[in-house]
Amino acid sequence: AQRVTQPEKLLSVFKGAPVELKCNYSYSGSPELFWYVQYSRQRLQLLLRHISRESIKGFTADLNKGETSFHLKKPFAQEEDSAMYYCALTLTGGGNKLTFGTGTQLKVEL
Amino acid sequence: KAGVTQTPRYLIKTRGQQVTLSCSPISGHRSVSWYQQTPGQGLQFLFEYFSETQRNKGNFPGRFSGRQFSNSRSEMNVSTLELGDSALYLCASSLAGSPTEAFFGQGTRLTVV
Repeated sequence: AQRVTQPEKLLSVFKGAPVELKCNYSYSGSPELFWYVQYSRQRLQLLLRHISRESIKGFTADLNKGETSFHLKKPFAQEEDSAMYYCALTLTGGGNKLTFGTGTQLKVEL
Repeated sequence: KAGVTQTPRYLIKTRGQQVTLSCSPISGHRSVSWYQQTPGQGLQFLFEYFSETQRNKGNFPGRFSGRQFSNSRSEMNVSTLELGDSALYLCASSLAGSPTEAFFGQGTRLTVV
């Protein structure tokens, strides 16, 4: 069965500092990886997906199949980045069943 | 374009009762998924419906069931409620095909007393 691990429950950084939110997965096939974000009092929403290979709000994530990781990075944290971040995985061709990690709360301090 | 709408937003039920939650997807979306969110277990997949058929199912007991109507609206039902069913239940809709971006509703907060 697939599994997603986010080792940090809370990550606190200062504004302007680099950010890296860790995500590791276990799955024997070819997964699709996502990062979802939930800002305070807002709905869970997609931040980015690995197949798009794009930068959203300055965030990027690279799929490393050798290390089975999909870490989320941003070079300079902003106060508005404070939120809960979830890494998620789904099976290619397997419908829209998402397996989520437990989430990392990012707090950007001034 | 209206987002995913879940009703009701809050529910308080007594142990042993049953409950039905409703989800209206974004217009044109044919896939509806349900998730249970708790502090201890995080976000766990319940089931997915696509064109009125259950396409995926999570590891929940048979007390949890769902259905989808021809207009893609979905309901989930929990029978014989237990205290441990207290959670935020999230619905997400997606376009046809997979995998695609999931659009989440605001959730229904169920409290079982």
